[in-house]
Amino acid sequence: NFMLTQPHSVSESPGKTVTISCTGSSGSIASNYVQWYQQRPGSAPTTVIYEDNQRPSGVPDRFSGSIDSSSNSASLTISGLKTEDEADYYCQSYDSSIGNVVFGGGTKLTVL
Amino acid sequence: QVQLQESGPGLVKPSQTLSLTCTVSGGSISSGSYYWSWIRQPAGKGLEWIGRIYTSGSTNYNPSLKSRVTISVDTSKNQFSLKLSSVTAADTAVYYCARNIVLMGLNWFDPWGQGTLVTVSS
Repeated sequence: NFMLTQPHSVSESPGKTVTISCTGSSGSIASNYVQWYQQRPGSAPTTVIYEDNQRPSGVPDRFSGSIDSSSNSASLTISGLKTEDEADYYCQSYDSSIGNVVFGGGTKLTVL
Repeated sequence: QVQLQESGPGLVKPSQTLSLTCTVSGGSISSGSYYWSWIRQPAGKGLEWIGRIYTSGSTNYNPSLKSRVTISVDTSKNQFSLKLSSVTAADTAVYYCARNIVLMGLNWFDPWGQGTLVTVSS
């Protein structure tokens, strides 16, 4: 079955840039779009990226998404880090072979 | 804009059936080509998709939960519901409902409800 693997945690200083990876286990990650969700403690997830690289209205352009077919991975990049970006981030896609939605395990971003 | 709100018992006994309802406000559950999904998250763990329903009543479920899950819709009340049978402590989680946008290659959840904690315990 298709799985998405994320680093458990990343940390970076305010004002810097951080990239969170999301690697597909098999097949092509480009077969279905990847979404990224931000989840602050005690809150529901909210979308920061959809369709690989699209930002919903209201999400600052400091957030960007990309796909790298050569490494079968998706990436979320956050530039100009702010303390308010500290949260868990989940990637999500779809396993067409069995008709199942797939989430990555989540990455805890610490901004310190 | 569309908002979702989960409701239901916060405590369910082992072997019983968990029942939750999601009420959609700010728009009709029947408008647009949307699916409506349930997703859960055990404390300190990641997200797990449970299943979805279209307003026609068509459903898709996570294969790992399919034998125990039933999702239904009541368009007159602008609600959809989740039933999970034969629950165990492993089903203890925060349960979210979400609008599911499904297009060619796209499977996107937005927005989400605030979530409701369901504990399975005797």
